[in-house]
Amino acid sequence: SAVISQKPSRDICQRGTSLTIQCQVDSQVTMMFWYRQQPGQSLTLIATANQGSEATYESGFVIDKFPISRPNLTFSTLTVSNMSPEDSSIYLCSVRGQFRSYEQYFGPGTRLTVT
Amino acid sequence: GENVEQHPSTLSVQEGDSAVIKCTYSDSASNYFPWYKQELGKRPQLIIDIRSNVGEKKDQRIAVTLNKTAKHFSLHITETQPEDSAVYFCAASLSGSARQLTFGSGTQLTVLP
Repeated sequence: SAVISQKPSRDICQRGTSLTIQCQVDSQVTMMFWYRQQPGQSLTLIATANQGSEATYESGFVIDKFPISRPNLTFSTLTVSNMSPEDSSIYLCSVRGQFRSYEQYFGPGTRLTVT
Repeated sequence: GENVEQHPSTLSVQEGDSAVIKCTYSDSASNYFPWYKQELGKRPQLIIDIRSNVGEKKDQRIAVTLNKTAKHFSLHITETQPEDSAVYFCAASLSGSARQLTFGSGTQLTVLP
């Protein structure tokens, strides 16, 4: 499976600021996704990061709040904008590869706390 | 859209016993069903998956069964060990390059020594 890294691994941010999370994969992947996991909860898809075009957002998530970039087949960023304490969560990057393309793997996550 | 329900939410078993976690899905077009294990503070790990063209798949102590008619699938863990303690998530998706996984709510499995 692909090796997926995320930066930062955790951060504590003040209300009203923004944080950009980076996701790097060691091989080219077909699909990249961003998920949110609140404490004790399941995984919620925020958006699909599309290479060279605007991300596809799920219901309840908007581009102004969660802008996403994917400049190539191995890298994506998620920005959490104008943060509030309700944004405190774990944010996970996830990928599906070009081979064994059914399988989906997760990055280690970014634990965000907003004060 | 797809809806996946998972039961039970918590499960405690004695070491060496078997554990079964069940999921039901709503969209009969779904054809891929993975299971993930998430240990505390770690990322979800893909442990086994099944496609709709088979009814059962095994990998050592874990197995997954699929009943397409009833739209449910189950994870079976035999000879449980303390290191099996984790949260397990089922998921379902349609085929196609843009398919998205819909996750169940998770099951906290505790294996008691």
